[in-house]
Amino acid sequence: QVQLQESGPGLVKPSETLSLTCSVSDGAISDYYWSWIRQPPGKGLEWLGYIDYSGSTSYTPSLKSRVTISVETSKNQLSLKLTSVTAADSAVYYCARHLIGGSTSTTGAYYYYYYMDVWGKGATVTVSS
Amino acid sequence: SSELTQDPAVSVALGQTVRITCQGDSLRNYYATWYQQKPGQVPVLVMYGYNNRPSGIPDRFSGSSSGDTGSLTITGAQAEDEADYYCHCRDSSGNHLVFGGGTKLTVL
Repeated sequence: QVQLQESGPGLVKPSETLSLTCSVSDGAISDYYWSWIRQPPGKGLEWLGYIDYSGSTSYTPSLKSRVTISVETSKNQLSLKLTSVTAADSAVYYCARHLIGGSTSTTGAYYYYYYMDVWGKGATVTVSS
Repeated sequence: SSELTQDPAVSVALGQTVRITCQGDSLRNYYATWYQQKPGQVPVLVMYGYNNRPSGIPDRFSGSSSGDTGSLTITGAQAEDEADYYCHCRDSSGNHLVFGGGTKLTVL
């Protein structure tokens, strides 16, 4: 069973860059999509972006100018960088394995679905001076 | 605001049936995925695709879809089902992913 572990500084100063790493065990990182998700204290989940097995990325529009997701295949790690952080970026940050499926409905229409089946334990990041 | 709309809170009596819904235009073209999150814990996948349950998820959880609404139904809710539930899907542009705002389920 693949396991994910986020790591990185727990405290980042405003205007600086938040950098997190997600280590993937027991599996080839290049075989899957990988997402980053965050959850501010007391709030809901926010999808930040994903990287696919070709290295292509997709980011949530509200953060697209500040976020970068990359993969280092040789280390079986993915990384998240978020620039120019503010207190609003304080959150628990999760990495997750992202799968895509599809099936035909009872009406005959074909539907895709996206799901994250394995999550890391999360890394708490506080933005404060 | 999210492109996927969920009721903020729902309650159900112990042993009764509850439906948690997720509404959004993208659900006309994609199935919703559902996650359960208990306080202080990591989200857990409970439903994906057309009524697919991961291993270990009780069969009292079921999923369905109609029009622009996806639903997660718990038949015979248990105390341990009390949690926040989030739906997840592509957004209406089809280019990004999005979570619903979450539904806090209380089992009375």
